[in-house]
Amino acid sequence: QKEVEQNSGPLSVPEGAIASLNCTYSDRGSQSFFWYRQYSGKSPELIMSIYSNGDKEDGRFTAQLNKASQYVSLLIRDSQPSDSATYLCAAPTNFGNEKLTFGTGTRLTIIP
Amino acid sequence: GAGVSQSPSNKVTEKGKDVELRCDPISGHTALYWYRQSLGQGLEFLIYFQGNSAPDKSGLPSDRFSAERTGGSVSTLTIQRTQQEDSAVYLCASSFGYGYTFGSGTRLTVV
Repeated sequence: QKEVEQNSGPLSVPEGAIASLNCTYSDRGSQSFFWYRQYSGKSPELIMSIYSNGDKEDGRFTAQLNKASQYVSLLIRDSQPSDSATYLCAAPTNFGNEKLTFGTGTRLTIIP
Repeated sequence: GAGVSQSPSNKVTEKGKDVELRCDPISGHTALYWYRQSLGQGLEFLIYFQGNSAPDKSGLPSDRFSAERTGGSVSTLTIQRTQQEDSAVYLCASSFGYGYTFGSGTRLTVV
């Protein structure tokens, strides 16, 4: 089993709708989780981090963490064409170690 | 500097030649990482430096790959006797605590 797993997509969502991106992880000891956005030909950019169970909101983005189910998700409300990118989920997989393991990413396309 | 700086941004090299890729992390960031990303693929971990600790080299794909970090700051990734399968974008990131900042990468093409 991969340490951090994402649906590879691609995922297409109409403009203005909610995009939902999902990620599961295998290490129960993981305490922090990150979502990165990567535009085509660019490097990944950190957009959200979450450390506690529940929801964390930042503008149109909401990260959701369920440690019991080892599941983390990213919701994008009022999706815009500029949200079209690959979204990478990441978690440190060794306690006390900052090194992140990344999922393979989900490619999201927002359809105008 | 304000961000993670990588050079060169693009490198074309002939098979069998050695290449050096440079990364200048954000000032004060104690951790530095190298990843590579092949076209359409995910991020592949290569090596991790944390302060003065011995680096985590567990991701280096072969002994042709090596990296050093001088003075706890600038890092150089060296690939000896390059092969076509080494063609990829090489990404450097730095952090202080959790969450990385990536540089813009070096696109390496081996012909």
